[in-house]
Amino acid sequence: NAGVMQNPRHLVRRRGQEARLRCSPMKGHSHVYWYRQLPEEGLKFMVYLQKENIIDESGMPKERFSAEFPKEGPSILRIQQVVRGDSAAYFCASSPQLSMNTEAFFGQGTRLTVV
Amino acid sequence: DAKTTQPTSMDCAEGRAANLPCNHSTISGNEYVYWYRQIHSQGPQYIIHGLKNNETNEMASLIITEDRKSSTLILPHATLRDTAVYYCIVRVDGNKLVFGAGTILRVKS
Repeated sequence: NAGVMQNPRHLVRRRGQEARLRCSPMKGHSHVYWYRQLPEEGLKFMVYLQKENIIDESGMPKERFSAEFPKEGPSILRIQQVVRGDSAAYFCASSPQLSMNTEAFFGQGTRLTVV
Repeated sequence: DAKTTQPTSMDCAEGRAANLPCNHSTISGNEYVYWYRQIHSQGPQYIIHGLKNNETNEMASLIITEDRKSSTLILPHATLRDTAVYYCIVRVDGNKLVFGAGTILRVKS
């Protein structure tokens, strides 16, 4: 059973370009969470999605950032018109159900560098 | 914001038990305590979680006080590879995990 898969592992974008980060949850998991970790800082929650629904986007910046988790395929975190401050590690986690008694498993992250 | 308080850093001798404390004095009756660790900027790794009973798995033990206001993660025989940032998390309403600053555990030979 493969773990949470994130790709690409490393992504370089020029200022103003778009970045698309993909997350394939573990098999049987229908809940996905995205986190951002700026250099030398902690993990900050961004958004929580179920299939085809955004449940909690309280940590998402109001502009340029969007997330989706379609019925088929991976979850996508999209950053439009990237700026240098978007350079960070972006982690995705998945869990099988809505419960506080269920662990979430993380992927290895995508390291975004904006030049 | 995170509902937990942890020491900034701790040292442990290789082969000895590492005991990592966590305070969560405002925890609610149905909120679970989770522990994760992050080794050198890798993805966070799940360790263990519990509600009110002590828990043990192949990685660690979790001891939760009777009043649930604090807990201790125990790594029974720490190795150099256990050097990491350890996060104690109270899982809040809405299901998301809110990470604090964690404890930097340094295992030394």
